[in-house]
Amino acid sequence: AQSVTQLDSQVPVFEEAPVELRCNYSSSVSVYLFWYVQYPNQGLQLLLKYLSGSTLVKGINGFEAEFNKSQTSFHLRKPSVHISDTAEYFCAVSGQRYGGATNKLIFGTGTLLAVQP
Amino acid sequence: NAGVTQTPKFQVLKTGQSMTLQCAQDMNHEYMSWYRQDPGMGLRLIHYSVGAGITDQGEVPNGYNVSRSTTEDFPLRLLSAAPSQTSVYFCASSYRLAADTQYFGPGTRLTVL
Repeated sequence: AQSVTQLDSQVPVFEEAPVELRCNYSSSVSVYLFWYVQYPNQGLQLLLKYLSGSTLVKGINGFEAEFNKSQTSFHLRKPSVHISDTAEYFCAVSGQRYGGATNKLIFGTGTLLAVQP
Repeated sequence: NAGVTQTPKFQVLKTGQSMTLQCAQDMNHEYMSWYRQDPGMGLRLIHYSVGAGITDQGEVPNGYNVSRSTTEDFPLRLLSAAPSQTSVYFCASSYRLAADTQYFGPGTRLTVL
């Protein structure tokens, strides 16, 4: 079964500092990995995704993530954060099992990024 | 395009009542899903559908029913509401697969007393 672990429930950081939000996944099949962002009182929107190819994925708002198969990780990074980046960030995993269907998108528990002036 | 719409935005129920949360999309997406969001637990998949007439269970299906009679609509039914179902419910849709970009609705905040 697929699962996602986000170890940090909250990450406080000062404005213009770099940040890394950690995500580890567990799956016995090929995986597709995602980061979604939820701004206060809104639904989620896609930040970036890894389906195949280059392991470094660039997304919107200056975020990027690196797929590391040996460490089963997909950490999200931004070199310089802004106040407007304050939001909850969710890592998610989906996979396709050969000959069957694992057509589910499973989310982690989320990391609240709190950017302070 | 309206995208993904959900009604109602807020709802208060008494234990044992039933209700239906509505979800509709106008993007001709085949894949639709329902999640519940609870503090500290992230989003958990309740049910999903890969097309009209096809539904399947997610991580936490108990107490919920779904059907998909049209491509556009994917209602979620609470059969007999319980306080444990107090949550924020999100509907999402994508072109065909869970791995396609999901478009989320604004959510329904449900309180069961």
